[in-house]
Amino acid sequence: GENVEQHPSTLSVQEGDSAVIKCTYSDSASNYFPWYKQELGKRPQLIIDIRSNVGEKKDQRIAVTLNKTAKHFSLHITETQPEDSAVYFCAASINGGGKLIFGQGTELSVKP
Amino acid sequence: KAGVTQTPRYLIKTRGQQVTLSCSPISGHRSVSWYQQTPGQGLQFLFEYFSETQRNKGNFPGRFSGRQFSNSRSEMNVSTLELGDSALYLCASSLTGSYGYTFGSGTRLTVV
Repeated sequence: GENVEQHPSTLSVQEGDSAVIKCTYSDSASNYFPWYKQELGKRPQLIIDIRSNVGEKKDQRIAVTLNKTAKHFSLHITETQPEDSAVYFCAASINGGGKLIFGQGTELSVKP
Repeated sequence: KAGVTQTPRYLIKTRGQQVTLSCSPISGHRSVSWYQQTPGQGLQFLFEYFSETQRNKGNFPGRFSGRQFSNSRSEMNVSTLELGDSALYLCASSLTGSYGYTFGSGTRLTVV
């Protein structure tokens, strides 16, 4: 069945460093890949997404890359700040649609 | 513009009881998806409704059911509650029914 693997499960970086989170999906029909940020006790918030017809997308300090051949996609955060500390989830879906299959999450800690 | 509203925010129920959770999507959004979030299993897809029709269903037992009304508001019902049903239940809505799902703050269900 559909599966999304996410690594690492925890990541600690110094303020100003870059952070990279990687996900691999199993279903080659997947064509939509959003990333969500969830702070403690709050709802998941969509921070960036990419569709399968695009290889890379950037939004200020955040970028996502997609390799359809290898079936993996990554989140890159540059110049990290303490407020970037949160749990980040990747997800994949087929034909867009509301059935998102989530990775297990990465707890990012940015130390000042 | 109001976000996705879920009620109630917290709920305590006894094993064997049933519960109904409500989700009001962002105005104009016709797609509503439901997810269960637990520390052990992460975010798991329950079901998705679009214009009152269930489009997708996850791998949960038949005790979990849902519906969507003509105003796009959705309800989720869990019958014969088990201790393992304790979780944060999140709903998300989308304008397109394909991309850009926005989550609500969730209903924290505790089964005792």
